[in-house]
Amino acid sequence: DAGVTQSPTHLIKTRGQQVTLRCSPKSGHDTVSWYQQALGQGPQFIFQYYEEEERQRGNFPDRFSGHQFPNYSSELNVNALLLGDSALYLCASSLSVLSTDTQYFGPGTRLTVL
Amino acid sequence: AQTVTQSQPEMSVQEAETVTLSCTYDTSENNYYLFWYKQPPSRQMILVIRQEAYKQQNATENRFSVNFQKAAKSFSLKISDSQLGDTAMYFCAFMTYYGGSQGNLIFGKGTKLSVKP
Repeated sequence: DAGVTQSPTHLIKTRGQQVTLRCSPKSGHDTVSWYQQALGQGPQFIFQYYEEEERQRGNFPDRFSGHQFPNYSSELNVNALLLGDSALYLCASSLSVLSTDTQYFGPGTRLTVL
Repeated sequence: AQTVTQSQPEMSVQEAETVTLSCTYDTSENNYYLFWYKQPPSRQMILVIRQEAYKQQNATENRFSVNFQKAAKSFSLKISDSQLGDTAMYFCAFMTYYGGSQGNLIFGKGTKLSVKP
């Protein structure tokens, strides 16, 4: 049973550029959440997708946007990158946003903004 | 505001001994779930244990158990017979469930646990 997968593993960008991160949920899961984890901190919630719609959003600017595809995979897009966007980006999936199911995490994408 | 506080930035324990990690949280919700996640240097966030707030019985998973004190909003993790592979960052988190759908996870800042041989 494949777990949550994310790509790429590492990414280096420069300020002002745009980046797209990808996530495939665990088999059978239809809800995807994205988190940003700065160095030495706990993860911070960015947004959650279910049925191809953004269901909830954390305190992140509009530069952060996302998408969910019919196969439940998801993308996180960040525009106009800032140095402060350097972080580990984690994707988590769960059985359904309508359930109390646990969220399972992928290995993350390490984004470095120079 | 909903918050999670882990007051121990770092802890260490000898192999085979027992260690307890502390966590307190603040929420006005009644329906919520509590979690401990482990993040080893490989950075994969792994679920250690989960507790439903409506259950009085403390959750256990093999060598891992929790002490859930709802009135005190306290949720500590006990690791028995510590192993070298337990070395990791441990995050306490909670998630609310309301309106028929789950909320997002709210994490503490983590406790770095080192198990020494």
